[in-house]
Amino acid sequence: AQSVAQPEDQVNVAEGNPLTVKCTYSVSGNPYLFWYVQYPNRGLQFLLKYITGDNLVKGSYGFEAEFNKSQTSFHLKKPSALVSDSALYFCAVREGEWGFQKLVFGTGTRLLVSP
Amino acid sequence: GAGVSQSPSNKVTEKGKDVELRCDPISGHTALYWYRQSLGQGLEFLIYFQGNSAPDKSGLPSDRFSAERTGGSVSTLTIQRTQQEDSAVYLCASSLGGQGRNEQFFGPGTRLTVL
Repeated sequence: AQSVAQPEDQVNVAEGNPLTVKCTYSVSGNPYLFWYVQYPNRGLQFLLKYITGDNLVKGSYGFEAEFNKSQTSFHLKKPSALVSDSALYFCAVREGEWGFQKLVFGTGTRLLVSP
Repeated sequence: GAGVSQSPSNKVTEKGKDVELRCDPISGHTALYWYRQSLGQGLEFLIYFQGNSAPDKSGLPSDRFSAERTGGSVSTLTIQRTQQEDSAVYLCASSLGGQGRNEQFFGPGTRLTVL
């Protein structure tokens, strides 16, 4: 079965500093990887995805993620954090055969950006 | 622009009662998903619809849970004889059909509390 792991429950960073939220994956075949963000009392919002192509994927709100096949990682990054980036971040991988698209989510990482 | 909508936003019910949760996907999205988010279990996949059929019901936790989708649009998740462990946020998502490359767009969720 496909799976992703988010090793950090929480990441703290000062505003203006770069941030990284870690995700590693375990898949058979080609991975389809996603990052979502959840603000308090809101649903999940799509940030970015890796399907094929360039290993550096750019997404919404200035976020990007680097797909690293040798390290089986898909870390989320942003060069300069904002207080408004404080939220819960989920990494996810598609599981299932062609046409079956359910997502398997990591446990989530809470990002706290201090002023 | 119309996103995924869910109703009700909050539902409080007594143990043993039946509840119905509704999801209106984005127009034109053929795939629809239900997930459950709870403190102890994180984000769990429940069921996936492609059109009106449900090729993957593997995540439904018990036979008290059922879902249907009509007209390739609205979906209803029904929980019969609710139990306290059913308390969670139920999230609906939709996506363009296909090969799993398409991101899922999530609704705001229904917070279910079983007393």
